[in-house]
Amino acid sequence: EAQVTQNPRYLITVTGKKLTVTCSQNMNHEYMSWYRQDPGLGLRQIYYSMNVEVTDKGDVPEGYKVSRKEKRNFPLILESPSPNQTSLYFCASRPGHHYEQYFGPGTRLTVT
Amino acid sequence: QKEVEQDPGPLSVPEGAIVSLNCTYSNSAFQYFMWYRQYSRKGPELLMYTYSSGNKEDGRFTAQVDKSSKYISLFIRDSQPSDSATYLCAMSAGYGGSQGNLIFGKGTKLSVKP
Repeated sequence: EAQVTQNPRYLITVTGKKLTVTCSQNMNHEYMSWYRQDPGLGLRQIYYSMNVEVTDKGDVPEGYKVSRKEKRNFPLILESPSPNQTSLYFCASRPGHHYEQYFGPGTRLTVT
Repeated sequence: QKEVEQDPGPLSVPEGAIVSLNCTYSNSAFQYFMWYRQYSRKGPELLMYTYSSGNKEDGRFTAQVDKSSKYISLFIRDSQPSDSATYLCAMSAGYGGSQGNLIFGKGTKLSVKP
């Protein structure tokens, strides 16, 4: 089944404790992206990647890191999480020259 | 001014009603217009897609784009309780490279009552 998977689905952590949210797609898509979704603010792009070793900032990149060492994986790293990073996070992917993005199921992160 | 404006609702309608959802935008470079549907505790999924101006129909759903007014709409006919979800408009200037980055509206929460 073609899909985007994210792990973990739910995470509660404390301020300053480094964490990684994994994202993997099995559709051989070139483009991958991370979003956060907050009430009243909608979906905002954090980082995106157009292919292996090619990443760029989205609208809200502060406090996040990403890497794209393999085509299928695009982990999101929070090196020192803070409470304002409490949010619902979505990974998405699409082919390089097509409009439709496929979203993962989401990761609900709470930072206390 | 935000790039994409969408009334967050919530919108509550009786089953069978016609629903109209709308977004306005400010960037005249946008050419690709999409509607995503997001059920509770799920990721968004593409519902409708339109390139440039015009209408597109798919079953009970019709998407309209008016580039001269910078206004897009999604109509749902004979609405069903299963249509209860948050509807997100999204748009981009292209689909190659960074032009394919989507700008989303905040979403409108729709509830269809039996």
